[in-house]
Amino acid sequence: EAGVVQSPRYKIIEKKQPVAFWCNPISGHNTLYWYRQNLGQGPELLIRYENEEAVDDSQLPKDRFSAERLKGVDSTLKIQPAELGDSAVYLCASSPIGGRNSYEQYFGPGTRLTVT
Amino acid sequence: DAKTTQPPSMDCAEGRAANLPCNHSTISGNEYVYWYRQIHSQGPQYIIHGLKNNETNEMASLIITEDRKSSTLILPHATLRDTAVYYCIVGNFGNEKLTFGTGTRLTIIP
Repeated sequence: EAGVVQSPRYKIIEKKQPVAFWCNPISGHNTLYWYRQNLGQGPELLIRYENEEAVDDSQLPKDRFSAERLKGVDSTLKIQPAELGDSAVYLCASSPIGGRNSYEQYFGPGTRLTVT
Repeated sequence: DAKTTQPPSMDCAEGRAANLPCNHSTISGNEYVYWYRQIHSQGPQYIIHGLKNNETNEMASLIITEDRKSSTLILPHATLRDTAVYYCIVGNFGNEKLTFGTGTRLTIIP
């Protein structure tokens, strides 16, 4: 079974530029998460999707961050414009709804963003 | 969700059992204890979870105290590949929202 795929793995941009991250979850997983992980900290949830619907975006900074999951499969997280403080690793995770493994989130390798 | 407290770092000799403690004194009756680990430059990986009974799988054992206010993750025969940050998380089953702390950085010493 293929895992969660994220691209790019690394991204360096100048502040005020836009950036986008892409995530392809495990096939059949209805729930998709985006997390941000600052250096030395645990991941923090930004947004959670169930199929196409964003069911928890309370921690997403909506002035500059946006996300979409148009067909309930792949997802894109965008930052526009990026700030120095956005430098972090952005992690995508997926899990099935219900069923034996619904308690487990499967994480991708993350995208390391550096804003200069 | 209940808050967890873990030691920031631990060392363990290769081949020995690694015992990682976690305090969760404010855990509520329907909250589970989950453990994840994060190896350098990778995303977190699920290890095990439990409610009140001790649990064991191919990766580890989870011992939860009778009052459920603390737990211990046991890696029975630690290898160098077990070097990682280990996160103890408390949440409802289905854990739609994992609230990670700073975890315990476990270093396995050859």
